[in-house]
Amino acid sequence: EAGVAQSPRYKIIEKRQSVAFWCNPISGHATLYWYQQILGQGPKLLIQFQNNGVVDDSQLPKDRFSAERLKGVDSTLKIQPAKLEDSAVYLCASSLGRLNTEAFFGQGTRLTVV
Amino acid sequence: DQQVKQNSPSLSVQEGRISILNCDYTNSMFDYFLWYKKYPAEGPTFLISISSIKDKNEDGRFTVFLNKSAKHLSLHIVPSQPGDSAVYFCAASGGYGGSQGNLIFGKGTKLSVKP
Repeated sequence: EAGVAQSPRYKIIEKRQSVAFWCNPISGHATLYWYQQILGQGPKLLIQFQNNGVVDDSQLPKDRFSAERLKGVDSTLKIQPAKLEDSAVYLCASSLGRLNTEAFFGQGTRLTVV
Repeated sequence: DQQVKQNSPSLSVQEGRISILNCDYTNSMFDYFLWYKKYPAEGPTFLISISSIKDKNEDGRFTVFLNKSAKHLSLHIVPSQPGDSAVYFCAASGGYGGSQGNLIFGKGTKLSVKP
């Protein structure tokens, strides 16, 4: 079974530029998450989708971050404009359902903002 | 305010001995707990989970214990192997509404198993 695919693996941009990350979840997984992991911290949830609807985006900085999951499969996360503090690993995860089930993570995208 | 705490940033054990990783939580609405293992440059990998209706779950060398009254869980690895060297994250979920299903992670504990 193919895992969660993410691209790119690495990205370096200057502050105030924009960047986009792509995620393809495990086939059949209805729930998709984007997490931000800053160095030395645990992953922090940014947004949760159930199929193509947003379930929870309370921790997404909506003035600069946006995410969509068209057709309930692939998802993109965008940052515009980027700030230095956005430097982190962005992890996509998917799960069969929302409750009492493990999430499977992709390898992540390491973003460096200079 | 951290809802899931892993107070030991690192742990070193000898190969063949037991590794015990600890995790505390503050939110009494949490009802599902998970442990993930993470190698450098990879995403977290699911290891083992436990529901709040249980106090123990075992899978091979890995056992998770849950003490709800103390809001504490632990992961035991017996026997420890050098390949177990990684960062281990404790995660919890629960609550209500949109936050259900969200995994709240601790900061992780780096385990080093020495041959």
